[in-house]
Amino acid sequence: GENVEQHPSTLSVQEGDSAVIKCTYSDSASNYFPWYKQELGKRPQLIIDIRSNVGEKKDQRIAVTLNKTAKHFSLHITETQPEDSAVYFCAESGSARQLTFGSGTQLTVLP
Amino acid sequence: KAGVTQTPRYLIKTRGQQVTLSCSPISGHRSVSWYQQTPGQGLQFLFEYFSETQRNKGNFPGRFSGRQFSNSRSEMNVSTLELGDSALYLCASSLAGTSGINEQFFGPGTRLTVL
Repeated sequence: GENVEQHPSTLSVQEGDSAVIKCTYSDSASNYFPWYKQELGKRPQLIIDIRSNVGEKKDQRIAVTLNKTAKHFSLHITETQPEDSAVYFCAESGSARQLTFGSGTQLTVLP
Repeated sequence: KAGVTQTPRYLIKTRGQQVTLSCSPISGHRSVSWYQQTPGQGLQFLFEYFSETQRNKGNFPGRFSGRQFSNSRSEMNVSTLELGDSALYLCASSLAGTSGINEQFFGPGTRLTVL
């Protein structure tokens, strides 16, 4: 079945630095790759997504890159701020129309 | 537009009981998916409903079931509760049609505690 590996599980950066979170997937039919941010006690919120016909997508300080050949995709956050501190989940979906999530990355931005 | 809503927000049950959780999707969204979130297993897919039909099912025992009504509202039921069923149950709605998958928007979740 589908499997998504996410690294690292925890990440601490200084405010203003960049953060990168990486995910790998196994299903070659995967074609949709969203990223969710979940703050403590709150619902996961979609922050950016990418489809398999696109290699990169950017939205202000957030970008996602996709390498279909290597089956991995990454989230890049630039100029990090304390409010970026949260758990970030990658996910993928293919023909099954269901999301398979990575295990999450606890990002801490130190002031 | 109002977001996805879930009721109740918190539940405490004892082993062997059953529970029903409710989810109201964003207006116009016809697909509702359910996920279980635990510290150990993360976010795991339970099932997805579209137009009152279950389209996909995750790897959970038959004690977990669901349904969707004509107004797209969905319920999930867990029978014969076990301690391991303690979790945050999240529903997500999307516009999803007959092909591919669209953005899923999550509700606040129902925190179920089984004693």
